[in-house]
Amino acid sequence: NAGVTQTPKFRILKIGQSMTLQCTQDMNHNYMYWYRQDPGMGLKLIYYSVGAGITDKGEVPNGYNVSRSTTEDFPLRLELAAPSQTSVYFCASSTLNYGYTFGSGTRLTVV
Amino acid sequence: GQQLNQSPQSMFIQEGEDVSMNCTSSSIFNTWLWYKQDPGEGPVLLIALYKAGELTSNGRLTAQFGITRKDSFLNISASIPSDVGIYFCAVRDTGTASKLTFGTGTRLQVTL
Repeated sequence: NAGVTQTPKFRILKIGQSMTLQCTQDMNHNYMYWYRQDPGMGLKLIYYSVGAGITDKGEVPNGYNVSRSTTEDFPLRLELAAPSQTSVYFCASSTLNYGYTFGSGTRLTVV
Repeated sequence: GQQLNQSPQSMFIQEGEDVSMNCTSSSIFNTWLWYKQDPGEGPVLLIALYKAGELTSNGRLTAQFGITRKDSFLNISASIPSDVGIYFCAVRDTGTASKLTFGTGTRLQVTL
């Protein structure tokens, strides 16, 4: 029972580099989400998806892109990393009207 | 975006003490949730509240959905060291996609 799996767990990027944060879930959930968590702050929604082929912007989408080609996978892409994107990133999935299942997070540092 | 105000921001308590924290909103929401985040992990759902005035327990945890639908509180009785972590309230968007908005969290430290 893997739940929501995120890779990598840690990453250091240089300014201007790009990377993809991977997220996969094995619970057949339709809804998937990406949040970022800055120190002392709550979680802010970056992007979300209600099913394969459908994605939409959340509260803080600038500098990120997503795709949802399958029910299981919801990768988050950073094209030109900036120091402001230093954060902990959480992927989550859910069914309608139930609480989220979160992954264990990716800690990203941009230097 | 919607703001949830959680208080207190942090708490230092002794093992065995009871804890109370709350969360308020300027808007009405029909679903309130409480999550706990252990260090280095993602948040885990503790309690979900779906009806105004509802009081729900999960072991030593008790949460209430405020009658105005603008607030909720979480109580932890007889705290133990493993209660350490960050507690978040969250509300569900009334639109599609089941989006959640999270509070800024209450950091709980338990001393022996």
